[in-house]
Amino acid sequence: GAVVSQHPSRVICKSGTSVKIECRSLDFQATTMFWYRQFPKQSLMLMATSNEGSKATYEQGVEKDKFLINHASLTLSTLTVTSAHPEDSSFYICSASSSSSGNTIYFGEGSWLTVV
Amino acid sequence: SQKIEQNSEALNIQEGKTATLTCNYTNYSPAYLQWYRQDPGRGPVFLLLIRENEKEKRKERLKVTFDTTLKQSLFHITASQPADSATYLCALVHNAGNMLTFGGGTRLMVKP
Repeated sequence: GAVVSQHPSRVICKSGTSVKIECRSLDFQATTMFWYRQFPKQSLMLMATSNEGSKATYEQGVEKDKFLINHASLTLSTLTVTSAHPEDSSFYICSASSSSSGNTIYFGEGSWLTVV
Repeated sequence: SQKIEQNSEALNIQEGKTATLTCNYTNYSPAYLQWYRQDPGRGPVFLLLIRENEKEKRKERLKVTFDTTLKQSLFHITASQPADSATYLCALVHNAGNMLTFGGGTRLMVKP
């Protein structure tokens, strides 16, 4: 079945640096991918909608200059957390849907970011 | 304001019993509703989708109902097993872009 892969699964970075998280659809083309953030014991909060070949749509309260999203191809979207701070430490999850699978949405395994 | 609420943060039941989880929403007109399972430190895994014109969906030991009048979905796990212990999330899709809005989740613990 369709699989969405995220990399890295865990990353630790120093405060002030930038870190990139990749989201790939492995066996299907995804025109739209979504990025979520999840803090411990909380639900997933949508950060932005990533559209292939166009600018991402950010949810209210999410800084687009801080969370850079690039959806350069139909199988890859990247989220770059710029000038990371400890409060950015969280579980970041992407999802993608395939027109061939109807409305089923597949999630990646998530990426744990720790900013020290 | 728009809200999606799931019953109680945690639900403890005995193995073999039926677990019933609730998802209530306000100020949404969802095209369809989905249920996911999430294990600690993992991404959500899709379980079932039910559309606004469907009353009930079944998949093996799982059953989902959708009442658009009550604005509520119920998720049932029959003959529950300890392996069913996880957090279960409901999510609404309320436009054509497959954008999901999640409820807070219910943590289910099935005791042997």
